[in-house]
Amino acid sequence: DIVMTQSPDSLAVSLGERATINCKSSQSVLYNSNNKNYLAWYQHKPGQPPKLLIYWASSRESGVPDRFSGSGSGTDFTLTISSLQAEDVAVYYCQQYCSTPPTFGQGTKLEIK
Amino acid sequence: QVQLQESGPGLVKPSGTLSLTCAVSGGSISGNNWWSWVRQPPGKGLEWIGEIYHGGNTNYNPSLKSRVTISVDKSKNQFSLRLSSVTAADTAVYYCARTDRYSSSFDYWGQGSLVTVSS
Repeated sequence: DIVMTQSPDSLAVSLGERATINCKSSQSVLYNSNNKNYLAWYQHKPGQPPKLLIYWASSRESGVPDRFSGSGSGTDFTLTISSLQAEDVAVYYCQQYCSTPPTFGQGTKLEIK
Repeated sequence: QVQLQESGPGLVKPSGTLSLTCAVSGGSISGNNWWSWVRQPPGKGLEWIGEIYHGGNTNYNPSLKSRVTISVDKSKNQFSLRLSSVTAADTAVYYCARTDRYSSSFDYWGQGSLVTVSS
C-alpha cells in the first residue's frame, strides 16, 4: 500500500493568514499514461462527511473557494489556504488513488490562532 | 445533484455481521462510476473498505478482504456492505461515496452511519 504522511499533525493560523499543509507519499502517485497526479485533498468537519476540495493534485472541485489551492507532483504535495476564514476550521486529509487500495493521510487539524 | 444515504443497524454484537445499505438518489447507480465504502473509527483517520461497479465487479482493501462483501441492487439504485466477524475495532462511522469517473476521487459522500460493536 502507498503510505501517505501529512505534516504537521495540527496547525493554528490567524484569521486572514496563510495555512499550508504538506503531504508526502511513499511512492509516486503520478500516472504516466496521462501525466496526472492522482492526489486529492478533503476537508472534514465534525458531524459532516468529508468534502472534496482538490483532485489531480491541483484542480479545484466545483464550488470550492479559490483561496484553496493544491500543488506538487510525484511524492510531495501541498494544500494552501491563502487567507484563512473561520469556516475553514476542520481536519484536512490527502488521499492517493493511483493504486489500490486508495489510502489517506493521517489528517491535519487546522485551528484558529 | 447526487445524494447518498446510509442505513442499517447502529449496534452489532461481537462476532456478528455488520450490514449497511447506501441508497443513491439524483443519479443512476448504473452510470460510469464506482461506488465505495469508507470508514472512520472514533478519533482516527479514514480507511477505504472497498468498491463496486454496477456490473458487479468489486475491489477490496486487502486488510479487510477476507471479511468484506459489497453488492449492488440496480433495481433499487443502491449498494450494500457486509462485514463479518466484527470486533470492537470495527466500531466506526461508515460512509458510502461515489468515485468520480474522470478524476477517481470521492466526489459525493453519504452523511455517515455510526456502527458500534458491543455486546
